Amino acid sequence: DIVMTQSPATLSVTPGDRVSLSCRASQSISDYLHWYQQKSHESPRLLIKYASQSISGIPSRFSGSGSGSDFTLSINSVEPEDVGVYYCQNGHSFPRTFGGGTKLEIK
Amino acid sequence: QIQLVQSGPELKKPGETVKISCKASGYTFTDYSMHWVKQAPGKGLKWMGWINTETGEPTYADDFKGRFAFSLETSASTAYLQINNLKNEDTATYFCAKGGYFDVWGAGTTVTVSS
Repeated sequence: DIVMTQSPATLSVTPGDRVSLSCRASQSISDYLHWYQQKSHESPRLLIKYASQSISGIPSRFSGSGSGSDFTLSINSVEPEDVGVYYCQNGHSFPRTFGGGTKLEIK
Repeated sequence: QIQLVQSGPELKKPGETVKISCKASGYTFTDYSMHWVKQAPGKGLKWMGWINTETGEPTYADDFKGRFAFSLETSASTAYLQINNLKNEDTATYFCAKGGYFDVWGAGTTVTVSS
C-alpha cells in the first residue's frame, strides 16, 4: 500500500500569512494526488485534484504543486475561515490511502 | 445540483447489523463510482473501498473485508453500506463520496455501537 505522510501535523498561522502544507507518498504516484479540506463537524471538500488542478468554487488562494512523491498545498493569504484539517489522498492506486492530515489553526 | 444524501444516525448494540444508504441526485448514477470512507471519533479519514455502479462489483480495503458489504439499488440511484456483527470499534462517521477524485461527499452517517 502507498503510505501518505503529511507535515506538519499542526500549523498555527496569522491571517494574511502564506502557508505551505506538505504531503509525501511512499512511492511515485505521478500527479494522482488530491487535496481535501475538512472543517469541524462537516464533510470533507475537494480543494485540488491531480496535484495542481483547481476546482470550481474553491477560492483562488488555494493552489497545489508537485509530482512524483512530493506535493504541496499552498494557501496564499490565509483567512480565518480556512481553519480545519487538510488531507492529501493517493489517487493513483488502490487502496486510496489518505494522509494523516494537517490541522490549520489561526493564532 | 449534484448531491449525496445519507441516512440518519444509528445507535446499535454489539453484534447487530446496520445498513446505511447514500442517495445520489443531479447526475447519472452509473457514470461514476461510489466510495466509502470511515472517520472514527477524533481521527482521520480511512478509505473503505468502492463499488462499480455500472456492474455492482464491490472492492474492499483489507481492513474492511468480511463484515462489510457494499450494494446498490440502481433504479433508486442509491448505494448502501452494510456492517454485520457490529463491534465497538465500528463507532464512527461513514461517508459516501462520488467518483475518482471524490468531488462530492455525503454529509456522513454516524454509527454508535454501545451495549
